Amino acid sequence: DAGVIQSPRHEVTEMGQEVTLRCKPISGHNSLFWYRQTMMRGLELLIYFNNNVPIDDSGMPEDRFSAKMPNASFSTLKIQPSEPRDSAVYFCASSFGAGGAYEQYFGPGTRLTVT
Amino acid sequence: AQSVTQLDSQVPVFEEAPVELRCNYSSSVSVYLFWYVQYPNQGLQLLLKYLSGSTLVKGINGFEAEFNKSQTSFHLRKPSVHISDTAEYFCAVIPFNNAGNMLTFGGGTRLMVKP
Repeated sequence: DAGVIQSPRHEVTEMGQEVTLRCKPISGHNSLFWYRQTMMRGLELLIYFNNNVPIDDSGMPEDRFSAKMPNASFSTLKIQPSEPRDSAVYFCASSFGAGGAYEQYFGPGTRLTVT
Repeated sequence: AQSVTQLDSQVPVFEEAPVELRCNYSSSVSVYLFWYVQYPNQGLQLLLKYLSGSTLVKGINGFEAEFNKSQTSFHLRKPSVHISDTAEYFCAVIPFNNAGNMLTFGGGTRLMVKP
C-alpha cells in the first residue's frame, strides 16, 4: 500500500489567494483526519471524518477554512482567502475504524507558506 | 477535556546512552496513550500505544514506555540510542469514551543524538 498520499508537498501562495490541499487515505480506511502543525501551537486537529461524514470540525479555525470528503478515497482542505498566519504544515491521517484502539496513519504533509 | 505535557522540548544525548522522554497527561476520564515519532520532513509514525493490560509497553526501534496511572505519566525510554533516533517525539491521548479517535498531542520533544 502506498500509504496516505498528500498533494502538493509544498505550496507557496500570496495572501488572499485560495489554497486547496488534497489527501488520499489508505484504501479501506473509513476515518480521516486533518491536522495542522506550527511552532507556536504544535499539532492541532482541524476536522475528523467518519464514513465520509464530518464528525467534529471544532478545530477549524474560522470560516475561511473548509473541508470536504466527497468519497472514501479523497478529501480536500480549502483555505479562502489565505493569510500569512495560515503558514504551517498540514497533515492528513486515516484509520481503519473509529475508536482509540485504531492506529492513525499519517501522510507526509503539505508545507504551506503564505506570503 | 484532555491535555498532554511533555516536560522537555529538547533532549540532547550521546550515542549509545540511555534516554527517557517524559510525558504527563490530564484527563477526567480514562485514556488510551500513544507515542509517535516524526523524522525530519516526514509525517508521524506510531512508536507504541497503551490500551490496557501490562503497564510496560514495547514498541518499534527498541523503545518502550510505562503507564503510571497514579502519576498520570507515560514516559518513553530506550536503553541505548542511535544517531538514527534523532527526531521529534510526540505523546498523545484519546479518551476511552471518545466515539472517534481524536488525538490530543503534547508539544513534542526533540531528541538530538550526538556522536
